[in-house]
Amino acid sequence: NAGVTQTPKFQVLKTGQSMTLQCAQDMNHNSMYWYRQDPGMGLRLIYYSASEGTTDKGEVPNGYNVSRLNKREFSLRLESAAPSQTSVYFCASSDLAGTEAFFGQGTRLTVV
Amino acid sequence: KNQVEQSPQSLIILEGKNCTLQCNYTVSPFSNLRWYKQDTGRGPVSLTIMTFSENTKSNGRYTATLDADTKQSSLHITASQLSDSASYICVVREVYSSASKIIFGSGTRLSIRP
Repeated sequence: NAGVTQTPKFQVLKTGQSMTLQCAQDMNHNSMYWYRQDPGMGLRLIYYSASEGTTDKGEVPNGYNVSRLNKREFSLRLESAAPSQTSVYFCASSDLAGTEAFFGQGTRLTVV
Repeated sequence: KNQVEQSPQSLIILEGKNCTLQCNYTVSPFSNLRWYKQDTGRGPVSLTIMTFSENTKSNGRYTATLDADTKQSSLHITASQLSDSASYICVVREVYSSASKIIFGSGTRLSIRP
């Protein structure tokens, strides 16, 4: 049982480049989330998808876009990467009614 | 001001010793509170959940307490092991809230020394 799978695990981008972070879950969860984690700070919500076909902004959405491709997959896109987006990105999923979020292993992104 | 504050920021103890981590929150109205464990380089994993009506809940060597009146929670680790070295994150959820109202603390980084 893979749970939540994120790719890639590591990425280095140059300022202005674009990339998409992929996330897939095999737990049949309705809700999926993208967080970023910066040193000394709690996880902050970028975007979330309460159910297939819907997406909403979280606390720090600027500079990002998301796509809920189907129930399993939720991708995060950086159109023009900036050094301020250097962070560890976590994808998570949960039941619609439940609150426990299951997290992927994270993507460590560095923008130079 | 953070709505979920944890203390201490970091803690080092010897293997076999006990420790207590603190979480103070201002999130209101309150639905539930979770403690997550995050190993280095991994995503957080839930340890325990507490609703407003619960005072104490145990999960093996981990015991969480909650005082909804003072808006404080603690996580007590008994007979620590090297594998307990991790960050412990307190997460609070508002009542009937959307995902945007699940608020993470910044965590306590715990190091267990042999």
